[in-house]
Amino acid sequence: GAVVSQHPSWVICKSGTSVKIECRSLDFQATTMFWYRQFPKQSLMLMATSNEGSKATYEQGVEKDKFLINHASLTLSTLTVTSAHPEDSSFYICSAAGQTAYEQYFGPGTRLTVT
Amino acid sequence: GQNIDQPTEMTATEGAIVQINCTYQTSGFNGLFWYQQHAGEAPTFLSYNVLDGLEEKGRFSSFLSRSKGYSYLLLKELQMKDSASYLCAVRGKLIFGQGTELSVKP
Repeated sequence: GAVVSQHPSWVICKSGTSVKIECRSLDFQATTMFWYRQFPKQSLMLMATSNEGSKATYEQGVEKDKFLINHASLTLSTLTVTSAHPEDSSFYICSAAGQTAYEQYFGPGTRLTVT
Repeated sequence: GQNIDQPTEMTATEGAIVQINCTYQTSGFNGLFWYQQHAGEAPTFLSYNVLDGLEEKGRFSSFLSRSKGYSYLLLKELQMKDSASYLCAVRGKLIFGQGTELSVKP
């Protein structure tokens, strides 16, 4: 089956610094990737839709200048959390859309802790 | 906009059957997913319904009624490893319900 990887799997950073999270589709090309955020005991919240070669589409309430998304190739999307604050600490999950309507493959997630 | 509702928590007994309901309101429906998520892990795909009716896959079945905006996930012969959060998600963009935390007791 299709595999999506994320790197790093966990990261601890200091407040005010920036963190980059990578999402890769390992054995298929993904025109569209999605970024989600999940706080403890809560569901996944869609942050943005990332399309290869174009600007990401952000959900309402998500700051595009704070959460920078780049989808430079068909196998890689990156999420950069800029000027991170403790409230940005969360579990960030990406997914990649496959060829058919029901195919959406999730990465293993990245746990970000901002101190 | 979109709104998805499912119970927050459920408890069932090992070997039993449990039904997790999901109701949704959406402007553009293009299928409904059920995912299983264990704590600290990414969701894993369970089922996808785009037409009305019941889809059966082993111990798991999923039902959809588009006219009622309603779906359920049926888990049979519950095992301890089925203790997890079950997420209902509606496609356009994939928007998730808040998840149902299922606890299976011996």
